[in-house]
Amino acid sequence: GQNIDQPTEMTATEGAIVQINCTYQTSGFNGLFWYQQHAGEAPTFLSYNVLDGLEEKGRFSSFLSRSKGYSYLLLKELQMKDSASYLCAGLDSNYQLIWGAGTKLIIKP
Amino acid sequence: IAGITQAPTSQILAAGRRMTLRCTQDMRHNAMYWYRQDLGLGLRLIHYSNTAGTTGKGEVPDGYSVSRANTDDFPLTLASAVPSQTSVYFCASSSDSSYNEQFFGPGTRLTVL
Repeated sequence: GQNIDQPTEMTATEGAIVQINCTYQTSGFNGLFWYQQHAGEAPTFLSYNVLDGLEEKGRFSSFLSRSKGYSYLLLKELQMKDSASYLCAGLDSNYQLIWGAGTKLIIKP
Repeated sequence: IAGITQAPTSQILAAGRRMTLRCTQDMRHNAMYWYRQDLGLGLRLIHYSNTAGTTGKGEVPDGYSVSRANTDDFPLTLASAVPSQTSVYFCASSSDSSYNEQFFGPGTRLTVL
């Protein structure tokens, strides 16, 4: 079956660094997405990885290892506005997104 | 303003009633999707459309139907609502069905009593 696993909740301190892990099992693989979702709002796109390695975009970076079925999202210099849920989603062989349940990130001052 | 809109924002519905959730995008995206999001679960795909005139079933299609008469609109209909359909519904679109960076509407919060 297809499955995306990520931690339910994480807590971090303002100004620090946090890494949110995601493991995936999909039927075929066409890439890995990360989305951010603030409470009561719609998900918004953060990153897409299809090749192994690290993609950096400002304070956010995303890493992919296809051989390990593993990805992480790295958030640096955390700000209070980064408090949100972070959704990991794998793109399967039919180009359908398989979504994880999301990681709720709580930022403390 | 380019984007994707949904209506209504929220709705309380009696069980057994018929309801249509509306979704419109003005980005000329070919692909559109309907998801439901429930606490503790990931987004689950209900139906999708890769291009105008075609639709397909997702992971949880039972009790729902869709149509795609044109590029912009993708309504979702609950023929006879049941309490288990209480959820937040998101419509999304992407430029095509292969790359799949999806843009989401603001959501409809539906309560079925």
